[in-house]
Amino acid sequence: SAVISQKPSRDICQRGTSLTIQCQVDSQVTMMFWYRQQPGQSLTLIATANQGSEATYESGFVIDKFPISRPNLTFSTLTVSNMSPEDSSIYLCSVVEALNTGELFFGEGSRLTVL
Amino acid sequence: AQSVAQPEDQVNVAEGNPLTVKCTYSVSGNPYLFWYVQYPNRGLQFLLKYITGDNLVKGSYGFEAEFNKSQTSFHLKKPSALVSDSALYFCAVREWGFQKLVFGTGTRLLVSP
Repeated sequence: SAVISQKPSRDICQRGTSLTIQCQVDSQVTMMFWYRQQPGQSLTLIATANQGSEATYESGFVIDKFPISRPNLTFSTLTVSNMSPEDSSIYLCSVVEALNTGELFFGEGSRLTVL
Repeated sequence: AQSVAQPEDQVNVAEGNPLTVKCTYSVSGNPYLFWYVQYPNRGLQFLLKYITGDNLVKGSYGFEAEFNKSQTSFHLKKPSALVSDSALYFCAVREWGFQKLVFGTGTRLLVSP
């Protein structure tokens, strides 16, 4: 399976600032996704990162708050903009290697705490 | 819309005993079903999947899951639990033709020595 590296692994941020999370995969993958896991909660899909075009956002998530880039088939970034304490979560990058089976593989996650 | 239910927030079992973590799903078409495990401060690890074929699927770390179409269930099982199995377990479903994976709320498994 693909090896997925996320940076930073954790960070403490001030309210009102923005932070960019990087996701690097060791092989070209078809699809990349960004999930959020709030404390004690399940995973919620933020968006699908599309290579060379704008990301596809799920209901409740908007590009101004969570801009996403995917310049190639192995790399993506998620920015959490104008952060508030409610944005304190684990943000997880995930990839699909095989479209016909569709299991996701996850990075270790980026744990953000907003003060 | 596809959905997953994990009715138990926590399952407690003694080491050496069999364990079951329950999952039911709802999709319009044929389901693709998955189990993931999350250890503290870690990302999710893929355990096993059901796509088609045998209703009993085997996965990592001795886990298996049984697909039951009539009951729309996909329960995770292990014949003999280990303390190291203590973690958070997520069931997920994807509908054929769609890429979005929908996760359940998770079940915390606690295996006591």
